[in-house]
Amino acid sequence: GENVEQHPSTLSVQEGDSAVIKCTYSDSASNYFPWYKQELGKGPQLIIDIRSNVGEKKDQRIAVTLNKTAKHFSLHITETQPEDSAVYFCAASRHGGSQGNLIFGKGTKLSVKP
Amino acid sequence: EAGVAQSPRYKIIEKRQSVAFWCNPISGHATLYWYQQILGQGPKLLIQFQNNGVVDDSQLPKDRFSAERLKGVDSTLKIQPAKLEDSAVYLCASSFKYGYTFGSGTRLTVV
Repeated sequence: GENVEQHPSTLSVQEGDSAVIKCTYSDSASNYFPWYKQELGKGPQLIIDIRSNVGEKKDQRIAVTLNKTAKHFSLHITETQPEDSAVYFCAASRHGGSQGNLIFGKGTKLSVKP
Repeated sequence: EAGVAQSPRYKIIEKRQSVAFWCNPISGHATLYWYQQILGQGPKLLIQFQNNGVVDDSQLPKDRFSAERLKGVDSTLKIQPAKLEDSAVYLCASSFKYGYTFGSGTRLTVV
C-alpha cells in the first residue's frame, strides 16, 4: 500500500525566513497531494493541494511543488509569521481528491520565532 | 457553511469500558470518514461511508470498533471494549466532490 514519508519532523525558523517541508510517496498511482495545517486542539485544515498533472502551485506565501518522476512533493512557506506555527501534514491519494482514503505523513512541527 | 461537528470534545474512560463518538457532517456531503490520530502521527483512516453504505473499512478493528451512518447523515463510532492503545484523537471528515473538511475531533484517553 501507499506510504508517505515526511521530513523534517520539527522545524524552527525566524520570522520572515522561508520554511520547506518535504514528502515522498511510494504509490505511483497517487494523483492528489494535499497539505494540511493542524493547530492545537483543532482538526487538520487544508491549506493547499496539487494534482499530478501540475508541477507547481502557488497561493500567496504558500507554494507546493511536485516531482512525479522522483515521487516527492514539497511545501514552501515564504515570509513566515508567528501564526504559521503549527503542525503540517502532507498526504497522498490515488482518487484525485474526489473522495477516497488519504494517506498522511507523520507531520512537521513548525515553530516561527518572532 | 457550518463545519463538521463532533462530540464530545474529550473523553476519559477505563480500559474495557465502552465509548461512542458522534459526527454531524457538512450538509449535503455524501461521503463521511472516521480517522484515528495517535499522538505524534498523521491521521489514519478507520472507515469511509458513501451515504449510508460502507465503502472502505479495511483498517477498522472490527472485533472492538463499529460505526454506523443512519439515513446517510450523522454517524457514530463505537469502541467496545476499549484498550490502552485506543488513546487517540478521533477525527470525522466529510466531502462532496473534491476536498475534505475535518472536524475538531474527540480526544480519547483510556486509563
